[in-house]
This record gives sequence, C-alpha cells and structure tokens, in this order.
Amino acid sequence: AQSVTQLGSHVSVSEGALVLLRCNYSSSVPPYLFWYVQYPNQGLQLLLKYTTGATLVKGINGFEAEFKKSETSFHLTKPSAHMSDAAEYFCAVSDPTGTYKYIFGTGTRLKVLA
Amino acid sequence: GAGVSQSPSNKVTEKGKDVELRCDPISGHTALYWYRQSLGQGLEFLIYFQGNSAPDKSGLPSDRFSAERTGGSVSTLTIQRTQQEDSAVYLCASSLRLAGGGETQYFGPGTRLLVL
Repeated sequence: AQSVTQLGSHVSVSEGALVLLRCNYSSSVPPYLFWYVQYPNQGLQLLLKYTTGATLVKGINGFEAEFKKSETSFHLTKPSAHMSDAAEYFCAVSDPTGTYKYIFGTGTRLKVLA
Repeated sequence: GAGVSQSPSNKVTEKGKDVELRCDPISGHTALYWYRQSLGQGLEFLIYFQGNSAPDKSGLPSDRFSAERTGGSVSTLTIQRTQQEDSAVYLCASSLRLAGGGETQYFGPGTRLLVL
C-alpha cells in the first residue's frame, strides 16, 4: 500500500532563510509525486510534480523538489523564504493502480518569521 | 479558463439532516475525485469517477455517503443523516486522464460543512 510521511507538522523559518519540508513515501512501484500548497480557506494549488525524467523538479514561486529513489524521498525546498510562503503544504503520491487517486501526507504548516 | 467550482462554500446543518454538496469540474476533464479534509484525519480520498466507468467508492466512510456524476460533468456528494463527525471540508478535484497516469488534479475551493 502507498503511504506518505511528512516530518514536522509545523515548521518555522525566518524570512530569507532556506525552506526545507520533508516528504518520504512508500510505494511498490515507481511513484508519481506531488507537492500542493493550501492557503487559508482556499483549495489546493499544485506547486510541482514528479512523474518521470529529471529528478530535480522546479515549480512555481521558486520551489523545487528532488526525487531520490534510494531514500524514497521527495523533499521540498526554497532557497529564501518569503512572508507570502506561509501556508500549509501537502505531499502526495498518486495511486498507480488505475484510479490515480492521491494519498496525502498529513501536511506541514509553514510559518515565516519577520 | 474556469477552474473547479463547488457550492455551497459553507453549510451549517443540524445532526440528522441530509446535505448535498455540488462540484462543477473543469470542462473536458473526465476524472473527478472527492476528498475530505478534517482535523485528525488529514486529507482522505472518498470517491472517484472516470468517464462512464463504475465509480471507485472505496473511500466512502459509511453507507450514509453517496455520490453521483450526471452527464460526465457535475457531481453531487450526498450525506444522509449527518453526524457531528461529518464536519469537515469537502474538496472536489478534476483531471484530464493521461495514459499511464501522473496527471495533475485541480482542486476546487471546498465546501466547509458544520454539523451541529
């Protein structure tokens, strides 16, 4: 069965500091991996995804993530945090068995300190 | 273009009443998903529709929950005899099915349900 683990339900960084949000997955087959961001009282917006090809994936708003098969990880990073990055971030793996439904991690709430 | 829309945005109901939540997917998207976001449970899959295929109902938590998708477009999620534990945000997503998967799901803003 697929599963996703996000370490740290809350992460605080200073404005301008590196953002690192961790995601590990378990999958019996090569996964499709996604990061979504959710701002208060809004739906989920795709930041980036990995399907095949280059393992370093660049997304919107300066975020990127690297797929590391040997570590079963897909950590999200951004070199310099901005106040507007404060939100909740969800890592998800897509079930490859036909429906491609998402299995989500529990989310990480990012706080950016001035 | 227009994104996924959901209505109502907020719903307050009394325990035991039935509620209907509506989702309008992106035009042309053949796949439609419902998820529930609640405290303590995170985001969980409820049901999936793809074209004219039988839906995958494996995530529905009880037989009080049902959903339909008419004409391959609009979907309605119905909760009968609501309970307080049904209070959550119900999210709808749609996608354009790609061979082999990996497509992006586009989410609506959600319906926030509160059962008193």
